[in-house]
Amino acid sequence: KNQVEQSPQSLIILEGKNCTLQCNYTVSPFSNLRWYKQDTGRGPVSLTIMTFSENTKSNGRYTATLDADTKQSSLHITASQLSDSASYICVVTRYGNKLVFGAGTILRVKS
Amino acid sequence: EAGVAQSPRYKIIEKRQSVAFWCNPISGHATLYWYQQILGQGPKLLIQFQNNGVVDDSQLPKDRFSAERLKGVDSTLKIQPAKLEDSAVYLCASSLGASFTDTQYFGPGTRLTVL
Repeated sequence: KNQVEQSPQSLIILEGKNCTLQCNYTVSPFSNLRWYKQDTGRGPVSLTIMTFSENTKSNGRYTATLDADTKQSSLHITASQLSDSASYICVVTRYGNKLVFGAGTILRVKS
Repeated sequence: EAGVAQSPRYKIIEKRQSVAFWCNPISGHATLYWYQQILGQGPKLLIQFQNNGVVDDSQLPKDRFSAERLKGVDSTLKIQPAKLEDSAVYLCASSLGASFTDTQYFGPGTRLTVL
């Protein structure tokens, strides 16, 4: 069954701290993996995209990693800011452009 | 560049009533998607259009949901009659094409509450 599981479900950290969000998937055949950020009341916005051959991709303070062998990905946020408070969704694309969404990790950054 | 526009942003109706949502995709985007996002879950694809043709509607509850994309631009999603379990955020997204490398850009969503 094609599934994307994310952990933790929610996370609270202090401003300035780092954090890592996890994503495990069983989607096949795999095409690419994206991390989206969804602010409250807004639509998701793509942060990174990685194909099978890429194992790391950065976008500012966001760094995503991909291990295609173990079917795991992580999103590392460095020096968190209050504006990082959002839901982070891991999305795996199957061939045929079918997207499989995780349930998301809700991150709250406190001052 | 203007983003994906959706209206209304919020809608409250009673069960068995009808409701319609509107989406205007990014100019030039051939592919349009409607998703349903229930609280605490990731979005679920309801229907995908390529220009004004339906590519995938396998998860659309066709007994109560319908969607159309007029002239391959704007799109409307209708629910008739609504059920309590339809309470969710309805997201519209668009992409240049249907390639797996084409980024989907999402609108702000319409939050539907069915009482």
